[in-house]
Amino acid sequence: EPEVTQTPSHQVTQMGQEVILRCVPISNHLYFYWYRQILGQKVEFLVSFYNNEISEKSEIFDDQFSVERPDGSNFTLKIRSTKLEDSAMYFCASRQEGSAGELFFGEGSRLTVL
Amino acid sequence: RKEVEQDPGPFNVPEGATVAFNCTYSNSASQSFFWYRQDCRKEPKLLMSVYSSGNEDGRFTAQLNRASQYISLLIRDSKLSDSATYLCVVNNGNEKLTFGTGTRLTIIP
Repeated sequence: EPEVTQTPSHQVTQMGQEVILRCVPISNHLYFYWYRQILGQKVEFLVSFYNNEISEKSEIFDDQFSVERPDGSNFTLKIRSTKLEDSAMYFCASRQEGSAGELFFGEGSRLTVL
Repeated sequence: RKEVEQDPGPFNVPEGATVAFNCTYSNSASQSFFWYRQDCRKEPKLLMSVYSSGNEDGRFTAQLNRASQYISLLIRDSKLSDSATYLCVVNNGNEKLTFGTGTRLTIIP
């Protein structure tokens, strides 16, 4: 069964450092997302990406965040200068055309900012 | 008022029992609705979409009440493998999914 893959599974970084989280969405999917989940809290939308551009972003997705699809397979989330409150599980997701709610999530990248 | 509200539980239910969860949403213009499940420290996985007329998938039945702005999930003949957190998810016609905090279910042997 095709799946969304994410790397790294866990990253520990110092406050102020840059972090890049990588995702390989399912190959025939056209819509890509990043969500995050702070420990013990709900899953929160960060950004959606379609046709090589951001289609929507949340208030959380400020200037410290950026996304890129550098080639035909990878989809990355960059955090320029990490803060303590960026510590969370970051989930990449993708979907086909059709229902905006039927997402396939990767296993997540746990980010710990010290 | 929270956009999507769920009873966090936990619900501890004996194997074989029937259990039901409700979820309310605040935006009357919300367009589509879903139940996801999330196992401990894992990613959310789509369980089922919720249709206006209600829908069933095996032991799972989902209902939508637009007038009262709530969604329900019924699990019949519960199995140990049903133990998870059940996430109510709403879409307002854009790309963003709004998740509830989830209802934790534990099935007891």
